[in-house]
Amino acid sequence: AQSVTQLDSQVPVFEEAPVELRCNYSSSVSVYLFWYVQYPNQGLQLLLKYLSGSTLVESINGFEAEFNKSQTSFHLRKPSVHISDTAEYFCAVSSNAGGTSYGKLTFGQGTILTVHP
Amino acid sequence: EAQVTQNPRYLITVTGKKLTVTCSQNMNHEYMSWYRQDPGLGLRQIYYSMNVEVTDKGDVPEGYKVSRKEKRNFPLILESPSPNQTSLYFCASSFAQGYGYTFGSGTRLTVV
Repeated sequence: AQSVTQLDSQVPVFEEAPVELRCNYSSSVSVYLFWYVQYPNQGLQLLLKYLSGSTLVESINGFEAEFNKSQTSFHLRKPSVHISDTAEYFCAVSSNAGGTSYGKLTFGQGTILTVHP
Repeated sequence: EAQVTQNPRYLITVTGKKLTVTCSQNMNHEYMSWYRQDPGLGLRQIYYSMNVEVTDKGDVPEGYKVSRKEKRNFPLILESPSPNQTSLYFCASSFAQGYGYTFGSGTRLTVV
């Protein structure tokens, strides 16, 4: 079984300040990890993912996340946020083991990031 | 344009009246999946499919059915909807494990 816990349901921050959205996961096997973003009244968009290799992964709009196996975490960070980053962010985990578990993708409860001017 | 298309976008129905939400993708993806999104609960997987005629239960399959007769289509069927199935539903597809899912725009279902 796999699960994801996002430690903060809401994170308010001022524009140009740094932000960290926390994510912890639980799984009995090796995993792939994802961050998705959902802007108001839209579907989810893939922000970044960790599959293997370098533990630090980056998105094209300045977000980064670091896979920490010992702490089973995959926190999302941005050094300077913009008003346009206001959205809900979801951490997700899937197993990279074989069988039908390939299609199972488990999401956390979501973190609402609100950037204030 | 590569996309996942769900229909309808909005649906209000009455308890017990069978309904189908359609989902189609034009990217030749192997994997497809249905999720429901509820405030404070995030997204919960209902069913997923690895290929034609191969489906498996997610975390909340009760009260739902799916079928995958063609690679591009993955309809979600509610045989006897109940008010606790009022939710925002998303269909998603993926080329392979590790690529991440591409999501549709969502279907907001209200069961009264």
